[in-house]
Amino acid sequence: AQSVAQPEDQVNVAEGNPLTVKCTYSVSGNPYLFWYVQYPNRGLQFLLKYITGDNLVKGSYGFEAEFNKSQTSFHLKKPSALVSDSALYFCAVRDGGSASKIIFGSGTRLSIRP
Amino acid sequence: DVKVTQSSRYLVKRTGEKVFLECVQDMDHENMFWYRQDPGLGLRLIYFSYDVKMKEKGDIPEGYSVSREKKERFSLILESASTNQTSMYLCASSPRRGYTEAFFGQGTRLTVV
Repeated sequence: AQSVAQPEDQVNVAEGNPLTVKCTYSVSGNPYLFWYVQYPNRGLQFLLKYITGDNLVKGSYGFEAEFNKSQTSFHLKKPSALVSDSALYFCAVRDGGSASKIIFGSGTRLSIRP
Repeated sequence: DVKVTQSSRYLVKRTGEKVFLECVQDMDHENMFWYRQDPGLGLRLIYFSYDVKMKEKGDIPEGYSVSREKKERFSLILESASTNQTSMYLCASSPRRGYTEAFFGQGTRLTVV
């Protein structure tokens, strides 16, 4: 069965510093991995995804994520945090099947202090 | 732009009522999903559908059912609402291909009193 773990409920970072939000996954086949962001009282917005190829993928708002197959991780990163990055972040995994469900982690609240 | 529309942003229902949450997508996606979101638990999959009239249980289907009579519409039904079903409900859709991301509606905050 697919599963996703986000080990940190909250991450606090000073504005201008680099940030990392952690995610590990478990899936039987080849993983398709996603990051989403949720602002207050809003639905989820897609940030980036890993399908295949380059282990470093770039997405919206200056975010990037690094896929590590041996550690089954897909950590979200940004070189320089902004206060406006403060939000709830979700990692998700999908296996390669066409009728596959998408499983989400428990979410990490990112707080950027000025 | 893909649009996923949920019929209500906020809903208040009484215990024991039958509740319908409606979701419509305008991009001809094959897959549709219903999740509930609770603090500290993230998004948990209730049901998903990969085609008209086809459905599969997610991780927490108890107390819920779904209907997909048309490709663009996916309904979540609470047969007899209970207070522990108070939550944020999110609908999503995606193309059939597994490497594609899902697109989410704005969510329905349901309160059962």
